[in-house]
Amino acid sequence: GAVVSQHPSRVICKSGTSVKIECRSLDFQATTMFWYRQFPKKSLMLMATSNEGSKATYEQGVEKDKFLINHASLTLSTLTVTSAHPEDSSFYICSATQVRDSYEQYFGPGTRLTVT
Amino acid sequence: TQLLEQSPQFLSIQEGENLTVYCNSSSVFSSLQWYRQEPGEGPVLLVTVVTGGEVKKLKRLTFQFGDARKDSSLHITAAQPGDTGLYLCAGAGGGGADGLTFGKGTHLIIQP
Repeated sequence: GAVVSQHPSRVICKSGTSVKIECRSLDFQATTMFWYRQFPKKSLMLMATSNEGSKATYEQGVEKDKFLINHASLTLSTLTVTSAHPEDSSFYICSATQVRDSYEQYFGPGTRLTVT
Repeated sequence: TQLLEQSPQFLSIQEGENLTVYCNSSSVFSSLQWYRQEPGEGPVLLVTVVTGGEVKKLKRLTFQFGDARKDSSLHITAAQPGDTGLYLCAGAGGGGADGLTFGKGTHLIIQP
């Protein structure tokens, strides 16, 4: 149980275009999902917290208009990188909590975004 | 802002040796998780510690949460090449509504 998937696993897009990344909890309902960003050889940095049916909460320094997050259902959250720039190239990872107020987060396999 | 200092950042040892990874903070965490991450994949949860002073064992891995819930350690006994990977500690400030604060990670290489 507690499986989280992401799609696509890899995506290459041109500068100025937008790309959407999906995060799904496959066998449980996730009221809260999180989006992280990871640079090569570095640790994960929290970008935003996504709650089903409400606006996402963004961490300081993360542009909400650039990284659009939608959590339309209890099993799906999407991250859209708008007007992508080569600096947005990174490994994007989502996670979800299985039970409300649980400390444990289960991570997706990540999405490698390359902006050319 | 809660910060987690993880050390060492890089460690390369021979198969059969023991090692300890440390995770320290000036802040109190409600819980601490340890993850292992392979290249190009998401982190996989190893253990969650919640109670100050708690010790958990997972085969050759021993995890400890400090009494004040500000620090944690991961000890690996008789390391094997399969233990190679990136080990991350992460702290949670509250309940499930909080994102995790990650340490910088420890890149561990076990040489056969």
